[in-house]
Amino acid sequence: TQLLEQSPQFLSIQEGENLTVYCNSSSVFSSLQWYRQEPGEGPVLLVTVVTGGEVKKLKRLTFQFGDARKDSSLHITAAQPGDTGLYLCAENRGSNYKLTFGKGTLLTVNP
Amino acid sequence: GAVVSQHPSRVICKSGTSVKIECRSLDFQATTMFWYRQFPKQSLMLMATSNEGSKATYEQGVEKDKFLINHASLTLSTLTVTSAHPEDSSFYICSVDSGMGTDTQYFGPGTRLTVL
Repeated sequence: TQLLEQSPQFLSIQEGENLTVYCNSSSVFSSLQWYRQEPGEGPVLLVTVVTGGEVKKLKRLTFQFGDARKDSSLHITAAQPGDTGLYLCAENRGSNYKLTFGKGTLLTVNP
Repeated sequence: GAVVSQHPSRVICKSGTSVKIECRSLDFQATTMFWYRQFPKQSLMLMATSNEGSKATYEQGVEKDKFLINHASLTLSTLTVTSAHPEDSSFYICSVDSGMGTDTQYFGPGTRLTVL
């Protein structure tokens, strides 16, 4: 059963454009993490959001956590080719720190 | 964050052979490590939780006799794919639990396994 739904699955844009990707669940997140994974490498943690309505910024990346803690978004401003990668959201639903990942959004930023 | 390495980074083997993948926590003592598998253009799927000094806990559908995990020290966990078949070809990634009582895990760079 897919617990986390990410959209869009694929996104190809030109350098300089803005974009938003989404992560949704039918149940409440305890906390949510966003990762970026480049081809042939492991995921790298970008941010953890915990509080409903929370907004966190990481340079050109803005992360929002929905008020009801059932959804989250990642907005990238003025995308650059270096932003290319697989963006994954992940959640811990248990008490043993195991993460469940969404299927990811594969972003390609063309120069 | 913790620095995690994996060895080898990529391996090609013949069907029927066994392959061992190492995951090392270079600057952090890891009681718990996790092993994931990722097929092309798909997400990470947790295979098992590796606990130092005890047996690994496997996720549903993962054969423990095929994917042998050993976590003999606080800095090393190994995953051995026994009698590998082409369908075992995948990207295997380990992670280290931060041990801070949070969800934070630090991921290794992954190992690309190709079984001919």
